[in-house]
Amino acid sequence: RKEVEQDPGPFNVPEGATVAFNCTYSNSASQSFFWYRQDCRKEPKLLMSVYSSGNEDGRFTAQLNRASQYISLLIRDSKLSDSATYLCVVNIRNSGGYQKVTFGTGTKLQVIP
Amino acid sequence: NAGVTQTPKFRVLKTGQSMTLLCAQDMNHEYMYWYRQDPGMGLRLIHYSVGEGTTAKGEVPDGYNVSRLKKQNFLLGLESAAPSQTSVYFCASRFRQDSSYEQYFGPGTRLTVT
Repeated sequence: RKEVEQDPGPFNVPEGATVAFNCTYSNSASQSFFWYRQDCRKEPKLLMSVYSSGNEDGRFTAQLNRASQYISLLIRDSKLSDSATYLCVVNIRNSGGYQKVTFGTGTKLQVIP
Repeated sequence: NAGVTQTPKFRVLKTGQSMTLLCAQDMNHEYMYWYRQDPGMGLRLIHYSVGEGTTAKGEVPDGYNVSRLKKQNFLLGLESAAPSQTSVYFCASRFRQDSSYEQYFGPGTRLTVT
């Protein structure tokens, strides 16, 4: 089983729609969680951290479910500019104190006019 | 600030040739990373460095070497390129004390080995 799993998509949604992605992780010792955004042929950029209580940043809401070991990203009122691949990132602190960072393969979102 | 820059942006190598990819950051970050990104595989960590003069192996280090002689630079070397090393290579950096653990990525190097 992969350490971090995402549905690759693509998710094709009309402008204005609400869309949600999930990401599951296998290691229960995972400590911190993030969503990155990667535009086509560009570098990944941090979209938002995911906090235990859930957090919101404008149209984006991230949630963590430790019991079921998944995180989610909800995008409301989708814009054409939201079209990108969304990468789930999980950090685990290893015995040496180093944060092992694992990236998911990404979920592709295409917002259609 | 230029952020994280990578040189070159594109390169085509023949099997067996060697090359060095350069990553430079002007944000005074302690940690630096080299990743490769392949379709369906996600970003995989090749090597990383937690400070000047120190490097460590990541998930897929075979066939690569790295050096961090200066804090702002992290070099990735391919000793004898193989077609399996065709990939997009990303460098990233971050502050050691940043509680958000945000990594800043360079624009990538697209490498093809024929």
